[in-house]
Amino acid sequence: NAGVTQTPKFQVLKTGQSMTLQCAQDMNHNSMYWYRQDPGMGLRLIYYSASEGTTDKGEVPNGYNVSRLNKREFSLRLESAAPSQTSVYFCASRETMNTEAFFGQGTRLTVV
Amino acid sequence: SQQGEEDPQALSIQEGENATMNCSYKTSINNLQWYRQNSGRGLVHLILIRSNEREKHSGRLRVTLDTSKKSSSLLITASRAADTASYFCATDLGYSTLTFGKGTMLLVSP
Repeated sequence: NAGVTQTPKFQVLKTGQSMTLQCAQDMNHNSMYWYRQDPGMGLRLIYYSASEGTTDKGEVPNGYNVSRLNKREFSLRLESAAPSQTSVYFCASRETMNTEAFFGQGTRLTVV
Repeated sequence: SQQGEEDPQALSIQEGENATMNCSYKTSINNLQWYRQNSGRGLVHLILIRSNEREKHSGRLRVTLDTSKKSSSLLITASRAADTASYFCATDLGYSTLTFGKGTMLLVSP
């Protein structure tokens, strides 16, 4: 079982470059999430999609955009990367609220 | 702001000892979940406890929930070196979001 798959695993960007982080799940889950994890800060929610066709801002949405392409895929886009966006990004999915979440292995992004 | 806060931030014990970590939160919840993260990896779900439950067990894990104090604890009994990881609590308010704390780093020495 693949579960939640994130690509790429590692990425180095120059300030001002753009990129899209991809996430796909094969569990037919309705809800999908993007978090960032920084040392000492735990996981902070960037954006989420409660169901196909909807997206909402989380705690730290500035500088990011998302697309729920279909039920399986939820992408995160950085339009103009900044050093403050250096972080580890995790995608997660779950069937609906009040259920457990499944996480991808993360994308380690460095912006120089 | 983060809903849940784990305590302690770090915990170091010997194999065979029990490890207890706590989570406090601010607002009413539908359920509270505990996750584990091995270094550099994604989070793995351990246990979910609903707001109307007071205690739940899963193998060597015991979770308690006190909604009056807005707190939860995770007990790992007879710890093993393989339990070394970071542990996070997450609060589920029922709005589709899942909010994580900053985590407790557990080190279990052989």
